[in-house]
Amino acid sequence: QKEVEQDPGPLSVPEGAIVSLNCTYSNSAFQYFMWYRQYSRKGPELLMYTYSSGNKEDGRFTAQVDKSSKYISLFIRDSQPSDSATYLCAMSVGGANSKLTFGKGITLSVRP
Amino acid sequence: DGGITQSPKYLFRKEGQNVTLSCEQNLNHDAMYWYRQDPGQGLRLIYYSQIVNDFQKGDIAEGYSVSREKKESFPLTVTSAQKNPTAFYLCASETGGTDTQYFGPGTRLTVL
Repeated sequence: QKEVEQDPGPLSVPEGAIVSLNCTYSNSAFQYFMWYRQYSRKGPELLMYTYSSGNKEDGRFTAQVDKSSKYISLFIRDSQPSDSATYLCAMSVGGANSKLTFGKGITLSVRP
Repeated sequence: DGGITQSPKYLFRKEGQNVTLSCEQNLNHDAMYWYRQDPGQGLRLIYYSQIVNDFQKGDIAEGYSVSREKKESFPLTVTSAQKNPTAFYLCASETGGTDTQYFGPGTRLTVL
């Protein structure tokens, strides 16, 4: 079992839809969770950052962490064509020499 | 304007040649990272450096080398020993203790 699994996609939705992107993980020591957005031929940009379990909201984006189920989600409300990108989940244990473990990414297309 | 710069954006190399990718940051971050991104494989860690004059191998270091002589700079050399160097290379830096990495725009290397 890979350490981080992400739905492979691609995913296509109409404009205005609610999008749910998910990752599961196997390492129960992970406690820092991130979502990155990557536009085509660009570097990833940090979208959301959460520590431990719970929800975090930023505008149309909500990140959710369920450590008991080893499951994280990113919800996008009122999706826009500008949200079309690849979304990568990432997580880490934290502490000295901690490194990020990334999901493979899912490509989202929002149709006008 | 703070950020991470990578150059060049596109790089073409003949087989058997070494090539060096540049990464510079003015964010005053201690840690810097090099990743390789291939379609469908997510981000794979090549090398990382937590402090000047020190660096560690990541998951796929074979055929690559790095140096960290200055805090701001972390160049990556792709040597002729790297069997399949055509990929998108991403540099990142991190503010201490948060595992929050910020990425540069990437360099696309193509071996002819």
